[in-house]
Amino acid sequence: KQEVTQIPAALSVPEGENLVLNCSFTDSAIYNLQWFRQDPGKGLTSLLLIQSSQREQTSGRLNASLDKSSGRSTLYIAASQPGDSATYLCAVRDSSASKIIFGSGTRLSIRP
Amino acid sequence: GAGVSQTPSNKVTEKGKYVELRCDPISGHTALYWYRQSLGQGPEFLIYFQGTGAADDSGLPNDRFFAVRPEGSVSTLKIQRTERGDSAVYLCASSETPGVEDTQYFGPGTRLTVL
Repeated sequence: KQEVTQIPAALSVPEGENLVLNCSFTDSAIYNLQWFRQDPGKGLTSLLLIQSSQREQTSGRLNASLDKSSGRSTLYIAASQPGDSATYLCAVRDSSASKIIFGSGTRLSIRP
Repeated sequence: GAGVSQTPSNKVTEKGKYVELRCDPISGHTALYWYRQSLGQGPEFLIYFQGTGAADDSGLPNDRFFAVRPEGSVSTLKIQRTERGDSAVYLCASSETPGVEDTQYFGPGTRLTVL
């Protein structure tokens, strides 16, 4: 049974720092992995999607990497800003391309 | 429409009642997903539709939960004999075509409270 873990559960850093959020999964037979952002009381916004054959994806100040064999993904945020404060969730789609399993998220707070 | 919409935004019901939650996906998206999210947790997968059929319903917790998508667009999640433990935010998402363009777009959710 696929399990997705995100560490840390919460993180607070001063503005301007580069930071890394971690996601690990127990079954390496995945179809893809997606990172989302969720603001309080809101739905989820997709940030980056990495197919199982890819190693990384970049969008602006965000870079996500995938190491399928070790069951790990990282989300790198460069030059953090207070507007980056949100909960960041990773989700893996199983190899049959059906079920999607989410981690519990990392609650990020960027201090001005 | 411009995005995924869900109605109602809030639903308060009494234990034992029946509720229906509606999801309108992005036009043209063939895949539709239902999740529920409890406070402080990530979304929990319930069911995935590809077109009109349920491709994977293994996340439905029991037979009180049922979902339909009769015309391959709008979907309704139905919960019978609601229990207090069903209280959560129910999220819907759609994607264009799994395997081709799989980015999921989420609606704002329906907050269900069972008293």
